[in-house]
Amino acid sequence: DAKTTQPPSMDCAEGRAANLPCNHSTISGNEYVYWYRQIHSQGPQYIIHGLKNNETNEMASLIITEDRKSSTLILPHATLRDTAVYYCIVRVDPQQAGTALIFGKGTTLSVSS
Amino acid sequence: NAGVTQTPKFRILKIGQSMTLQCTQDMNHNYMYWYRQDPGMGLKLIYYSVGAGITDKGEVPNGYNVSRSTTEDFPLRLELAAPSQTSVYFCASSTGRAKLEAFFGQGTRLTVV
Repeated sequence: DAKTTQPPSMDCAEGRAANLPCNHSTISGNEYVYWYRQIHSQGPQYIIHGLKNNETNEMASLIITEDRKSSTLILPHATLRDTAVYYCIVRVDPQQAGTALIFGKGTTLSVSS
Repeated sequence: NAGVTQTPKFRILKIGQSMTLQCTQDMNHNYMYWYRQDPGMGLKLIYYSVGAGITDKGEVPNGYNVSRSTTEDFPLRLELAAPSQTSVYFCASSTGRAKLEAFFGQGTRLTVV
């Protein structure tokens, strides 16, 4: 699986958009980008994933650059409950490789009022 | 929906003791995983399974054993507990298909003294 690089921490004001970057410059053509978050002491929670098109769901938007070497997770209106560690993970289609999610250190997002 | 259930939630072990961490899921997922998370660190993959009867090592398998006799259950065995195994253990499951939304349990906090 490709490696990812994320900033260790970020701050965001409540109500503003939180933009969390992730670099994955060695990503392969069949590797997806996944985002998870972990709220203090809880198990990680799936947020969103994509291959090359931008994606949006009820939680967030995922913007992937055209060369797929980086991506940005956008929380459009951050709340205090979005304070968590956010993990960007790159991995192949599991039906091809059967490998598991490998977590890095992630970005600690602190949302303040 | 029960999802992924882990037992126990907390446990204190003495050095050299053995124990089994239980994990069960009711979503009929083929893929199951065990992770450990040390304080202030990301999750490390211990073992994973792609189906009943099939298991494979992750990043940090030493000191642990697993079995997968049914789709629902994926117990993690610690044979000779050591202080280095003090950690929070998370079990997870997923369909293994392209979406790969993994569902995590609430964790087992293990202290070895």
